[in-house]
Amino acid sequence: EAQVTQNPRYLITVTGKKLTVTCSQNMNHEYMSWYRQDPGLGLRQIYYSMNVEVTDKGDVPEGYKVSRKEKRNFPLILESPSPNQTSLYFCASTPRGQISYEQYFGPGTRLTVT
Amino acid sequence: GQQLNQSPQSMFIQEGEDVSMNCTSSSIFNTWLWYKQDPGEGPVLLIALYKAGELTSNGRLTAQFGITRKDSFLNISASIPSDVGIYFCAGQLSRAAGNKLTFGGGTRVLVKP
Repeated sequence: EAQVTQNPRYLITVTGKKLTVTCSQNMNHEYMSWYRQDPGLGLRQIYYSMNVEVTDKGDVPEGYKVSRKEKRNFPLILESPSPNQTSLYFCASTPRGQISYEQYFGPGTRLTVT
Repeated sequence: GQQLNQSPQSMFIQEGEDVSMNCTSSSIFNTWLWYKQDPGEGPVLLIALYKAGELTSNGRLTAQFGITRKDSFLNISASIPSDVGIYFCAGQLSRAAGNKLTFGGGTRVLVKP
């Protein structure tokens, strides 16, 4: 089954404790992206990757890092989480160059930073 | 970053009613998309629009790409309980931005008690 998976689905952590949220897709998509969703703000892009070893900042990159060492994986790293990073996070992927801009979203990771 | 203004923020529906929501921007978009998000899940694409003036249907859903390219609307006809959820509009400014999408704040659709 074609899908985007994220782990963990739920995470409660404390300020300053490094964490990684994994994202994996099995559709051989070139383009992957991370969003955060906050009430009333919709989804805002954190980072995106056009292909392996190619990453770039989205609209709200501060406090986050990403890497793209393999095509299928695109982990989101919070080196020193803070309470304002409490949010619902989504990973998405799409084939690059395809005229359809359909992005396939993962199920989401709800992060709470205390 | 670029903002899309989506309205209403929330609405109540009664089974059988037609409902509509819209999205506006101060910038021109090349593509408009409408997504639905069910509780505990990621957004799922409903309709994609690629040309100004385009009107596209998907079952009971109809969406239009505004002539000015700065707005779009989504209509749901004969609503049913499973239409409940959050609807997001999304736009792409230019293909040079890759597949980067800008999302509206969402319209939460609820059932009238």
